Amino acid sequence: EVQLVESGGGLVQTGGSLSLSCAASGFSFSSYAMTWVRQAPGKGLEWVSSVSGSHSIYYADSLRGRFTISRDNSKSTLFLQMKSLRAEDTAIYYCARGSGFNYYSALDYWGRGTLVTVSS
Amino acid sequence: IVLTQSPDSLAVSLGERATINCKSSQSVLYSSDNKNYLAWYQQKPGQPPNLLIYWASTRESGVPDRFSGSGSGTDFTLTISSLQPEDVAVYYCQQYSTLPFTFGPGTKVDIK
Repeated sequence: EVQLVESGGGLVQTGGSLSLSCAASGFSFSSYAMTWVRQAPGKGLEWVSSVSGSHSIYYADSLRGRFTISRDNSKSTLFLQMKSLRAEDTAIYYCARGSGFNYYSALDYWGRGTLVTVSS
Repeated sequence: IVLTQSPDSLAVSLGERATINCKSSQSVLYSSDNKNYLAWYQQKPGQPPNLLIYWASTRESGVPDRFSGSGSGTDFTLTISSLQPEDVAVYYCQQYSTLPFTFGPGTKVDIK
């Protein structure tokens, strides 16, 4: 059974940093692209960043430079490092699996998300 | 690419048809493989999104056949042929043809 479990969320001050993790199991992690999607309270879905199985990376334009995605295939874990956090970064952060090796694919499995709250 | 959805919300009687539209600001059809890089997701309150449809019209495994997707290029439709109580949710389209990938704003479906 495919499972994605996010962790690392919490309350952080404006301007602070936070690192999220997503532990994957039940599939060959290195063979799939992985993606972070976020959802502000009461709002829609926002694509954040994706990393392919070959570590090719892309970010949403508004987040490039503040967020860093990475993956450790040996540990089947996806990461998102966030810095210079702002109130508008407050959201549930979901980890999702792409249905293929590259990130040009739909997101077929999602974790339950981890809440990040940025407050002064 | 900007995705717009219509309507913002709709209420349909049980057993009736629900239709949601998604329009893309540019084509998501790749001529190299003749596939539309568009997906539909369902999100129920307090839950993560769930993939319903990919390649615009391919139903994900385990998704009831009352859900269907259609369209090509820039105009797409998600149809629920006979609305059931468990279909109350917000539905999102997403394009994965051009980076950065984008989601539509969502359509909320309720029971009338």
